[in-house]
Amino acid sequence: AQSVTQPDIHITVSEGASLELRCNYSYGATPYLFWYVQSPGQGLQLLLKYFSGDTLVQGIKGFEAEFKRSQSSFNLRKPSVHWSDAAEYFCAVGAKNQGGKLIFGQGTELSVKP
Amino acid sequence: NAGVTQTPKFQVLKTGQSMTLQCAQDMNHEYMSWYRQDPGMGLRLIHYSVGAGITDQGEVPNGYNVSRSTTEDFPLRLLSAAPSQTSVYFCAAGPRRDTQYFGPGTRLTVL
Repeated sequence: AQSVTQPDIHITVSEGASLELRCNYSYGATPYLFWYVQSPGQGLQLLLKYFSGDTLVQGIKGFEAEFKRSQSSFNLRKPSVHWSDAAEYFCAVGAKNQGGKLIFGQGTELSVKP
Repeated sequence: NAGVTQTPKFQVLKTGQSMTLQCAQDMNHEYMSWYRQDPGMGLRLIHYSVGAGITDQGEVPNGYNVSRSTTEDFPLRLLSAAPSQTSVYFCAAGPRRDTQYFGPGTRLTVL
């Protein structure tokens, strides 16, 4: 069965510290992978996506993610977190022939300490 | 260019009432979807559409109907609301089946 797991429900980091949010997926075909961010009371904003090619993808707001097929992972990273990064982050997987059917992880809530 | 818009932002219904959640996009995207978001469960796909006149079921379609008569609009209908349908509903649209841009959401409470 297709699934996405975000092992960390809640993470707290200090402002200026580095960040890594974990995402593992189970998918039969080559996945298309996404990270979305949701600020409180807002919709979801696309941070970055991986379809093919270079396994390290750059996104908006200084985020990057690395696709590791051998580990079925697509972890999100940022070298230096800002207070405005506090939000909920969702990893999602889809496929070329799935007609917009994204499967989402449960989300990781990020808190940033001053 | 407003992107994806959803109305209403908030709605309270009584059990058994019907209503339609509206979703519109001004980007001429083919693909549109409806998701519901519940605490600890991420987003789950309700229905989706790959173009005008074409819809299909997602992961949790029961209790919901959709239609896609135009490229721009993709309304979600609740025929007989139940408390289990209390959730935040997101509409999404995208130029390809793999990239979805989300609206601001509708928070629905069913009493």
